[in-house]
Amino acid sequence: DAKTTQPPSMDCAEGRAANLPCNHSTISGNEYVYWYRQIHSQGPQYIIHGLKNNETNEMASLIITEDRKSSTLILPHATLRDTAVYYCIVRVAGGNAGNMLTFGGGTRLMVKP
Amino acid sequence: GAVVSQHPSRVICKSGTSVKIECRSLDFQATTMFWYRQFPKQSLMLMATSNEGSKATYEQGVEKDKFLINHASLTLSTLTVTSAHPEDSSFYICSARGNNNEQFFGPGTRLTVL
Repeated sequence: DAKTTQPPSMDCAEGRAANLPCNHSTISGNEYVYWYRQIHSQGPQYIIHGLKNNETNEMASLIITEDRKSSTLILPHATLRDTAVYYCIVRVAGGNAGNMLTFGGGTRLMVKP
Repeated sequence: GAVVSQHPSRVICKSGTSVKIECRSLDFQATTMFWYRQFPKQSLMLMATSNEGSKATYEQGVEKDKFLINHASLTLSTLTVTSAHPEDSSFYICSARGNNNEQFFGPGTRLTVL
């Protein structure tokens, strides 16, 4: 799986949009971009994933650049409960390659009142 | 749907004892489950891939005789930490792969070895 690079930490004011960047310059054509988050002392929670089109769900939006070498996770109106470590992971969806998820360092997002 | 549970949520044991952690997929069948370990302020590290009805595949550096994995049914995988030592104290997290190949994570088990 391709390696990702994320800033180690970010702050965001409550109610504002949180924009979390991720670089994945070695991503392959069949690899998706996944985002998970981990609130302290809990298991990771799936947020969103995409291949090349922008995606939106009830939690967040995912913006993928046209060359697919980077992406941005957007939490439109951050709340204090969004404080967590956010992991950007690229991997092949489906198939029998174990489908293991390789976690990097992630971005520790601190939402402040 | 797609709920994964772990039991216990936290356990404290004496050095030298063994501890069993259960991972269950509650509303789906999982032929593959994964076990991760997470030390404080670090990321999750994959320990092993557990396949129903066959032997687990361990990542490099993970002792298979110390971390025993059993995946006897499509909804249950267990991780037994044998002869636990204080350095085994960690947060153990399992995930289960569903029919669409997505992974769903359990809430984690915090192990403290005294």
